[in-house]
Amino acid sequence: AQSVAQPEDQVNVAEGNPLTVKCTYSVSGNPYLFWYVQYPNRGLQFLLKYITGDNLVKGSYGFEAEFNKSQTSFHLKKPSALVSDSALYFCAVRDRITGRRALTFGSGTRLQVQP
Amino acid sequence: DAEITQSPRHKITETGRQVTLACHQTWNHNNMFWYRQDLGHGLRLIHYSYGVQDTNKGEVSDGYSVSRSNTEDLPLTLESAASSQTSVYFCASSDGRVGEQFFGPGTRLTVL
Repeated sequence: AQSVAQPEDQVNVAEGNPLTVKCTYSVSGNPYLFWYVQYPNRGLQFLLKYITGDNLVKGSYGFEAEFNKSQTSFHLKKPSALVSDSALYFCAVRDRITGRRALTFGSGTRLQVQP
Repeated sequence: DAEITQSPRHKITETGRQVTLACHQTWNHNNMFWYRQDLGHGLRLIHYSYGVQDTNKGEVSDGYSVSRSNTEDLPLTLESAASSQTSVYFCASSDGRVGEQFFGPGTRLTVL
């Protein structure tokens, strides 16, 4: 069975500082990996995905994520945080073997960016 | 612009009643999904569909059913609502085998 772990319930960072939101996964074979963001009382918005190729994936709003196969990680990063980045972030995984297209989500990490 | 909508946005019902949550997408996506979001659990998969007349159970499907009679709609029915089904429900759709999912705004359901 596939699973995703987001070890931090909350991450606090000062505006202008770099941010990292951690994600590790467990899946049979090679994964498809995704990051989503959720603002209050809204649905999830897609940020970026890793399918194949370059391990560094660039996405929306200046976010990027690095796929590390040996560490089974897919951490979300941004060089300079904005107050408007404060939201709930979800990592998600799909396996390539079963062909199932549904996602398995982590429990979410709340990012708080202080002015 | 294409979109995915859910209705109602908020619903209060009583234990034992049947409830149907609507999901409608204009992306023309084949894949549609229902998730529930609960604190500490992230999103958990209830049911999903890869096309018309196709439905599949997810990890938390007990007490829920879906039907897919056209591409645009995947209604979620709670056969006999229970307090444990109080949650926020999200519908999503995607295209092809590796497309990202697009989410609706959610329905907040309270079962008293």
